[in-house]
Amino acid sequence: GQNIDQPTEMTATEGAIVQINCTYQTSGFNGLFWYQQHAGEAPTFLSYNVLDGLEEKGRFSSFLSRSKGYSYLLLKELQMKDSASYLCAAMDSNYQLIWGAGTKLIIKP
Amino acid sequence: DAGITQSPRHKVTETGTPVTLRCHQTENHRYMYWYRQDPGHGLRLIHYSYGVKDTDKGEVSDGYSVSRSKTEDFLLTLESATSSQTSVYFCAISEGRDPIYEQYFGPGTRLTVT
Repeated sequence: GQNIDQPTEMTATEGAIVQINCTYQTSGFNGLFWYQQHAGEAPTFLSYNVLDGLEEKGRFSSFLSRSKGYSYLLLKELQMKDSASYLCAAMDSNYQLIWGAGTKLIIKP
Repeated sequence: DAGITQSPRHKVTETGTPVTLRCHQTENHRYMYWYRQDPGHGLRLIHYSYGVKDTDKGEVSDGYSVSRSKTEDFLLTLESATSSQTSVYFCAISEGRDPIYEQYFGPGTRLTVT
């Protein structure tokens, strides 16, 4: 079957760095997406990886290892506004996104 | 801003009644999707469309139907609403000619079936 696993909740301190991990199993693979979702709002696109390696975009970076079925989202210089859920999604061979349940990130002052 | 709106934004309805949710986009995107989001679950695909009158089922399509008679509108109908269909419904578009591109979401519709 197809499956995405990510931690349910993480806590970090303002100004610190946090890494949110995601493992995936899909029928075929067409890339790994990360989205941010604030409470009561729609998900917003953060990053896309299809090749192995690290993609950096400002304070956010995303890493992919296709051989391990593994990705992580790295958030640096955490701000209170980064408190949100982070959703990992893998695109399968039918170009459909398989979503994880999300990681709720709590930032403490 | 991908120009996606959803209506209504909130709805309370009774078990057994039909309900139609509307997704409207202004930028002529080919691919449109309907998802539901429930606590403890990831987003789950209900139906998607790859063009006018071209639709297909997703993971959780039972009890739902869709129609797309115009590029800009994608309608989701709950034929006879049940309490298990209480959820937040998101419409999304794929910003590209192919579905491999990232998806952008509308603001969501919170549906409660009593």
